[in-house]
Amino acid sequence: EVQLVESGGGLVKPGGSLRLSCAASGFTLTSPFSHAWMSWVRQAPGKGLEWVGRLKSRLSGGTTDYAAPVKGRFSISRDDSKDTLYLQLNSLKTEDTAVYYCTWVAKEPSAMLSWGQGTLVTVSS
Amino acid sequence: QSVLTQPPSVSGTPGQRVTMSCSGGSSNIGSNPVNWYQHLPGTAPKLLIYSSNQRPSGVPDRFSGSKSDTSASLAISGLQSADEADYYCAAWDDSLNGYVFGTGTKVTVL
Repeated sequence: EVQLVESGGGLVKPGGSLRLSCAASGFTLTSPFSHAWMSWVRQAPGKGLEWVGRLKSRLSGGTTDYAAPVKGRFSISRDDSKDTLYLQLNSLKTEDTAVYYCTWVAKEPSAMLSWGQGTLVTVSS
Repeated sequence: QSVLTQPPSVSGTPGQRVTMSCSGGSSNIGSNPVNWYQHLPGTAPKLLIYSSNQRPSGVPDRFSGSKSDTSASLAISGLQSADEADYYCAAWDDSLNGYVFGTGTKVTVL
């Protein structure tokens, strides 16, 4: 069973930066982490789920897609040697305050197969 | 503001069947599979239905999904107290080139 564990959340001032990590385990030799498409989803306090962005596997081109509110400020990357996904958050705004979830994505139908427990990012002065 | 619209809440008594809708457009539900997620407060969301009507291993057959044109729906039969949660539909949107979640529906068991 795939397990995802996020870390790196915390309190940061508006305009600041933070890097979240997602350590993955449970992937198999025939379906390794390096072949996985991954994404980040967030949930602001009292709000619904919001997709942040995704990173395709290197085999699929290793490209990224981002939601409009975070494009140009957030960046997703991965270290396949460490089975770890990252989310770099720059130029943070108060509206970025949320629990951030790491997810494993099925290429088709873009379903999020596994989710981490989430890490809280609070942007406040 | 989400492009997929769901009713804010639905409720039912134990054993009852409840349904919830998810309304979208031609660039999302009309063109791509719909997925449904169950989110209990304080826990990680869980994939409930994928490809509009398929259940992952371990999901009871009390949960079923369907899709027609630009709308989708989720039904829960034999409602149980453990089903109290928020439910979200989602789909890839070709116009936005991004994944969109519905506004969410809170299920209450009376």
